[in-house]
Amino acid sequence: DQQVKQNSPSLSVQEGRISILNCDYTNSMFDYFLWYKKYPAEGPTFLISISSIKDKNEDGRFTVFLNKSAKHLSLHIVPSQPGDSAVYFCAASLNSGNTPLVFGKGTRLSVIA
Amino acid sequence: EAQVTQNPRYLITVTGKKLTVTCSQNMNHEYMSWYRQDPGLGLRQIYYSMNVEVTDKGDVPEGYKVSRKEKRNFPLILESPSPNQTSLYFCASSAFGEINYGYTFGSGTRLTVV
Repeated sequence: DQQVKQNSPSLSVQEGRISILNCDYTNSMFDYFLWYKKYPAEGPTFLISISSIKDKNEDGRFTVFLNKSAKHLSLHIVPSQPGDSAVYFCAASLNSGNTPLVFGKGTRLSVIA
Repeated sequence: EAQVTQNPRYLITVTGKKLTVTCSQNMNHEYMSWYRQDPGLGLRQIYYSMNVEVTDKGDVPEGYKVSRKEKRNFPLILESPSPNQTSLYFCASSAFGEINYGYTFGSGTRLTVV
């Protein structure tokens, strides 16, 4: 039973527009959420995180929103750039990271010039 | 440079021939973990280690072994590889109490078992 779900396997967005990647989770005990970005032939790299005590965290073009009541988080990329084309993984943590991260299956984002 | 180093990057082997994929980190991280990535299945955890001599099974441990004799190294051992272990493998490490920085991943090992 998947605890972290990314229901869209892929997403295409035009350059300059907003990309919105979604993630749902089932375990209300998760207390930290992270997004990773992965290019082909490379390992995932940490992008942005949010604690469960917040509802928004922003870092440059990237913003993560958390809706705890809906058990939903989203990653917004504005404006989208061709270099953002990658697979994005959502991950969740219990006990502030002292137990293993649980990953979603990933969403492949294609930003079209 | 802070990094997780995996070797080899690519490996083709035959069914049943024991192999080891090495993982080393230079950040003095307590936590290390192995994942495999397969199409449509995302990242699935194989084994993890909270510290030296402490290891535990992840979601898909069958057919794999690990050891953590030193803090910096966490090798993944396939005693008798089978074709269903053909996959892309990633090692990751993290420091406790620093979850806001996430895991640091290695560059991956692409394993093909024929």
